[in-house]
Amino acid sequence: NAGVIQTPRHKVTGKGQEATLWCEPISGHSAVFWYRQTIVQGLEFLTYFRNQAPIDDSGMPKERFSAQMPNQSHSTLKIQSTQPQDSAVYLCASSSGTKGAETLYFGSGTRLTVL
Amino acid sequence: GDSVTQTEGLVTLTKGLPVMLNCTYQTTYSPFLFWYVQHLNEAPKLLLKSSTDNKRTEHQGFYATLHKSSSSFHLQKSSVQLSDSALYFCALSETLYNVLYFGSGTKLTVEP
Repeated sequence: NAGVIQTPRHKVTGKGQEATLWCEPISGHSAVFWYRQTIVQGLEFLTYFRNQAPIDDSGMPKERFSAQMPNQSHSTLKIQSTQPQDSAVYLCASSSGTKGAETLYFGSGTRLTVL
Repeated sequence: GDSVTQTEGLVTLTKGLPVMLNCTYQTTYSPFLFWYVQHLNEAPKLLLKSSTDNKRTEHQGFYATLHKSSSSFHLQKSSVQLSDSALYFCALSETLYNVLYFGSGTKLTVEP
């Protein structure tokens, strides 16, 4: 079991460019989560899919962030017109959960730097 | 809404001393509480979790007891080691809903 795989590990973009982050959950896991980690804000919830369906995107900045899960083996987080304040580590996690309070397994994250 | 508060941002201790990292929470639902640990340049990993009131849960020498009366889930260890140096996050999940809400984290540094 390779765990949750996130690519790329590091991404540098210029202000105003687009960034797409990829996540491959653990095989068989039905829930996928995206979090953003910064020193100031800690771990912020962004969005959540279960069985590929979007369940909760209450943490997503509405205008420039979007997430998709086109199949059970990967999810993407897209940030349009990146801004310096988007610089953070973006963490993807998956769980086997069909009910609440299951353990989340995190990937190693994508460190996004917006210049 | 749900929230988790960790009052210490930084804790520095000498090896062999005990530690307690504070965690309190707010929720209107029946909670699950978690502690996740994140070592430098690694992913956060589950350390321990509980939903049972007044029952101590232990893992890898760390322990915590969920006290619903005081909405607390403090993390303790009787003797810290150098390898315990890491970021520790307390997190809350509602029983029927899987999203974890994390506290701001406590950075524990253990010195020789």
